Amino acid sequence: GAGVSQTPSNKVTEKGKYVELRCDPISGHTALYWYRQSLGQGPEFLIYFQGTGAADDSGLPNDRFFAVRPEGSVSTLKIQRTERGDSAVYLCASSLTGGGGTQYFGPGTRLLVL
Amino acid sequence: DQQVKQNSPSLSVQEGRISILNCDYTNSMFDYFLWYKKYPAEGPTFLISISSIKDKNEDGRFTVFLNKSAKHLSLHIVPSQPGDSAVYFCAASYQSGGSYIPTFGRGTSLIVHP
Repeated sequence: GAGVSQTPSNKVTEKGKYVELRCDPISGHTALYWYRQSLGQGPEFLIYFQGTGAADDSGLPNDRFFAVRPEGSVSTLKIQRTERGDSAVYLCASSLTGGGGTQYFGPGTRLLVL
Repeated sequence: DQQVKQNSPSLSVQEGRISILNCDYTNSMFDYFLWYKKYPAEGPTFLISISSIKDKNEDGRFTVFLNKSAKHLSLHIVPSQPGDSAVYFCAASYQSGGSYIPTFGRGTSLIVHP
């Protein structure tokens, strides 16, 4: 069966550019999460969607980061005016429900900002 | 300020022996704990969890122990197999805004030698 997929798998961009990272969750999963994993660290929570709405965006580091999930399925994480410190692996996870359900992770998008 | 700490960045064990991975946490509000396993170039995969109302949960070769008074949990793998070689993340969560958002440790890299 199809798991969580993320595109692109790798993204190289220049400082100051805009990037979009896409996540396709498991079909039927209502909850979707974005995490960022820097080198040598564990995944760090960014934002959580329940359906189409962002139920918790407390992990977004600043207003350059924004995420949408307009139809309650695919989600896009958008980063404006990228900085070198944004370089990390961006992980997406989905779960059947949001209340503590098991999260299934995608393979991640490796973002490198030069 | 790390709320979930995995103080051993790596662990090497011989095949057939027991692997013990440790995790400490500081936030008393955490009441649900998880272990994830991660292979290179893949997202984390859920392994086992434990609620704070229990002190032990077992699933096949994997057992998680929770010591609430010490704010410590451990993952035991018996017997260890070469295929267990991966990075193991400890995560802790509590219900906030209708969901459990896990806080991850930095991970322990387990190598099981044949």
